[in-house]
Amino acid sequence: DVKVTQSSRYLVKRTGEKVFLECVQDMDHENMFWYRQDPGLGLRLIYFSYDVKMKEKGDIPEGYSVSREKKERFSLILESASTNQTSMYLCASSPGGTGNIQYFGAGTRLSVL
Amino acid sequence: QQQVKQSPQSLIVQKGGISIINCAYENTAFDYFPWYQQFPGKGPALLIAIRPDVSEKKEGRFTISFNKSAKQFSLHIMDSQPGDSATYFCAASRGGAGSYQLTFGKGTKLSVIP
Repeated sequence: DVKVTQSSRYLVKRTGEKVFLECVQDMDHENMFWYRQDPGLGLRLIYFSYDVKMKEKGDIPEGYSVSREKKERFSLILESASTNQTSMYLCASSPGGTGNIQYFGAGTRLSVL
Repeated sequence: QQQVKQSPQSLIVQKGGISIINCAYENTAFDYFPWYQQFPGKGPALLIAIRPDVSEKKEGRFTISFNKSAKQFSLHIMDSQPGDSATYFCAASRGGAGSYQLTFGKGTKLSVIP
C-alpha cells in the first residue's frame, strides 16, 4: 500500500509565524504535490515537484514556498502565515508518466490566528 | 478560468437510488479523466478513471460516461448506499509536458439517506 504521511493532522499558528508542513511518501514516486482544500473551491494546486530539488508553481503559489531535498520528502513553507492561509492542506505523490494516480495524505488542518 | 466545472455542489439521494454527478471541461488536450472519493477526515482516493477512447467504464456500482464531442463526463453510482456518502471530485489531465498535473472540479458532497 502506498503511504503518504503528513506530519501533523492539526496545527494552530499565529499570524506572522513561519510554518513548515512536512510530507513523506514511501513509494519512490517522482512527483509530489501540495494542494489546499477550501469549501466550495475544491482542490487547488500550490506547488509541485517532479524531481529532487525541482519545483514548479501551481495555480496559487503566492505566500508559499517548497523544498524537496530528498525524493521521499516534500515540504510546504509559509514564510509569514496569514489568516487567509487557514485551510486544509493536502500532500500527494504519483509515479512518473502520464495520467498516473495521485495518492493523497490525510491532510493537515492549519488554523492561523 | 476554471477548466473543469462540476455539478451539483451537493446531492441527497435515497438508499438504493442512482447518484449522478456531472463534469464539463474546456481544454481539448485533456486525455485522462479520473474521479476521486473523499471521506471526512481522509485524503481523496482514486475511485475510477477513463480515457477518451471509450464512452463508458464500469466498476461495480460505479460508472463513468464520457461524451467527447460535448466535452462532458459523468459519474453514476447505482444502488447508492449510506457508505457512499462522501465528497466526489472529478479531474482531468493532459498528455505531454506537465501530464502528471490534475485539474480538479470543485467537488460534490453526496449524502445517501436510509
